[in-house]
Amino acid sequence: DADVTQTPRNRITKTGKRIMLECSQTKGHDRMYWYRQDPGLGLRLIYYSFDVKDINKGEISDGYSVSRQAQAKFSLSLESAIPNQTALYFCATSALEGEPYNEQFFGPGTRLTVL
Amino acid sequence: AQTVTQSQPEMSVQEAETVTLSCTYDTSESNYYLFWYKQPPSRQMILVIRQEAYKQQNATENRFSVNFQKAAKSFSLKISDSQLGDTAMYFCAFLLSGGGADGLTFGKGTHLIIQP
Repeated sequence: DADVTQTPRNRITKTGKRIMLECSQTKGHDRMYWYRQDPGLGLRLIYYSFDVKDINKGEISDGYSVSRQAQAKFSLSLESAIPNQTALYFCATSALEGEPYNEQFFGPGTRLTVL
Repeated sequence: AQTVTQSQPEMSVQEAETVTLSCTYDTSESNYYLFWYKQPPSRQMILVIRQEAYKQQNATENRFSVNFQKAAKSFSLKISDSQLGDTAMYFCAFLLSGGGADGLTFGKGTHLIIQP
């Protein structure tokens, strides 16, 4: 079974809808991240969390919110989706300490299309 | 803030050839990590190789090696004996030391095509 899972894998929604992307991990890592990938732009950090009580904005947090429900779960919400949020979204995790604590492990990605 | 630049949007080589992907970065910090990630058509992000900035020795993983030039802020990836399965997007990424800081900073990627 995959260590980092994302649901749904693909989603098509309409402008103005609220949508939640979910991430779960079984690696026991404290740190979790949400990235967005757009063609030609690489991956950019949306939000990150170092533990359940710690949430931090990344480079492109506008229009997004997150919830860290438990150590293993980190959800990304689009309160009112817009077409330019159409992208591939990745969740990632990393350990707080111990090697390789600097390595991030990625989920399979969620392809979101906003019409 | 850190920036990562990959100046080659796309490269194409013949199978079995050696190819080098370029990456430069900008930072005022001295302690950090650099990574190359591979993204095949399956879209999964796969770590290829990692380099700690405090290490002078270039990292090597089988057919993959890096040329890390800290003073020049350059971190190129060399793929030897390229294979069809190496066809993918390759991303260079930067991470501050000190426990992961605020996440990875990625370049825009290089699309590598291995021709049969």
